[in-house]
Amino acid sequence: NAGVTQTPKFQVLKTGQSMTLQCAQDMNHEYMSWYRQDPGMGLRLIHYSVGAGITDQGEVPNGYNVSRSTTEDFPLRLLSAAPSQTSVYFCASSYSGGLNSPLHFGNGTRLTVT
Amino acid sequence: EDKVVQSPLSLVVHEGDTVTLNCSYEVTNFRSLLWYKQEKKAPTFLFMLTSSGIEKKSGRLSSILDKKELFSILNITATQTGDSAIYLCAVGDTGTASKLTFGTGTRLQVTL
Repeated sequence: NAGVTQTPKFQVLKTGQSMTLQCAQDMNHEYMSWYRQDPGMGLRLIHYSVGAGITDQGEVPNGYNVSRSTTEDFPLRLLSAAPSQTSVYFCASSYSGGLNSPLHFGNGTRLTVT
Repeated sequence: EDKVVQSPLSLVVHEGDTVTLNCSYEVTNFRSLLWYKQEKKAPTFLFMLTSSGIEKKSGRLSSILDKKELFSILNITATQTGDSAIYLCAVGDTGTASKLTFGTGTRLQVTL
């Protein structure tokens, strides 16, 4: 049982480049989300989805896009990378949002934008 | 805006000590409070608390919630070096549909 799988583990981008962080889960979870973790800031919600075809913004959505075409996959797209997007990104999923059932996290993607 | 404050920010203890980690919160409509442990990679779930005064326990770890005073504590007894990690507290607000607000965490280091 793989749980939540994120790829890549590490990525270096130049300012202005675009890329997609991949996230897949095999637990049939309806709820998926993306967080970024920065020193002294805790985990901040970027975007989330309560089911296939449904997405919504979190606390810090600017500069990121998401889509949810299947239950399993929830990719995060950086449209034009900026140094402020240097961070560790975590994908997380659960049965019914983080309020009623705990989130299961992937191992993270460490992104550096130069 | 929902707010979660954890204290202390960091802590160094000797193996065998007992530690108490604190989490205070401000939310409009409280739903749940969760504790996670983060070692080098993904945060892993420890406890979910929804009712005041009911202790959740797992081995040497325990946690309790006080909804009147708006805080929770996480206790670790007889600490071991494997307990070294960042401990994260998060709260859910029923008014913000599926969004958790995380604190910045407490970094615990257990030394021999």
